[in-house]
Amino acid sequence: GAGVSQSPSNKVTEKGKDVELRCDPISGHTALYWYRQSLGQGLEFLIYFQGNSAPDKSGLPSDRFSAERTGGSVSTLTIQRTQQEDSAVYLCASSYGLAAKGYFGPGTRLTVL
Amino acid sequence: AQRVTQPEKLLSVFKGAPVELKCNYSYSGSPELFWYVQYSRQRLQLLLRHISRESIKGFTADLNKGETSFHLKKPFAQEEDSAMYYCALPPFGNEKLTFGTGTRLTIIP
Repeated sequence: GAGVSQSPSNKVTEKGKDVELRCDPISGHTALYWYRQSLGQGLEFLIYFQGNSAPDKSGLPSDRFSAERTGGSVSTLTIQRTQQEDSAVYLCASSYGLAAKGYFGPGTRLTVL
Repeated sequence: AQRVTQPEKLLSVFKGAPVELKCNYSYSGSPELFWYVQYSRQRLQLLLRHISRESIKGFTADLNKGETSFHLKKPFAQEEDSAMYYCALPPFGNEKLTFGTGTRLTIIP
């Protein structure tokens, strides 16, 4: 079956512009995660959804970052007024149930000029 | 809150030598742990999970509850093992899937 997909695969934007990153999880997966992977920084947790609600938003770096999930499926991560330090690969993962492994998408590489 | 610690950011090992990637965890319950791997230009993928007691690509990991560790081991490193490795605790209740900061393993030919 289809895995986790993300779009776009690459996004180049100018500082100050808003961007939207999309994640399509595996059908039926209740949990959805957003992570950020920067060079030399490993995986940085951003936000986690269980269904449509976000029990943990503690990783969002600033109020410029927001995310939503609708219908227990697709999620959108929005970054407003992008800054150069937002440049990174944004990874989405989904999982089902307790102690379930996460399946990762290929990521969106964001470059802020 | 649950936490995963990988003390080594970088690890270089000669081909054929043993490999050990360290992982320590903090968790109040009875944990299940994962190791994820990301090869160059590939997506992050599950390598192994402790509950399966499996050996994948020659790697094994034993859960040591006394030391709260889940170190990843391989007796003889191969060049294709060069990658980024992440230790992780799965979601439980409202806890999220929690990753360590990762270790970049480089196998020297």
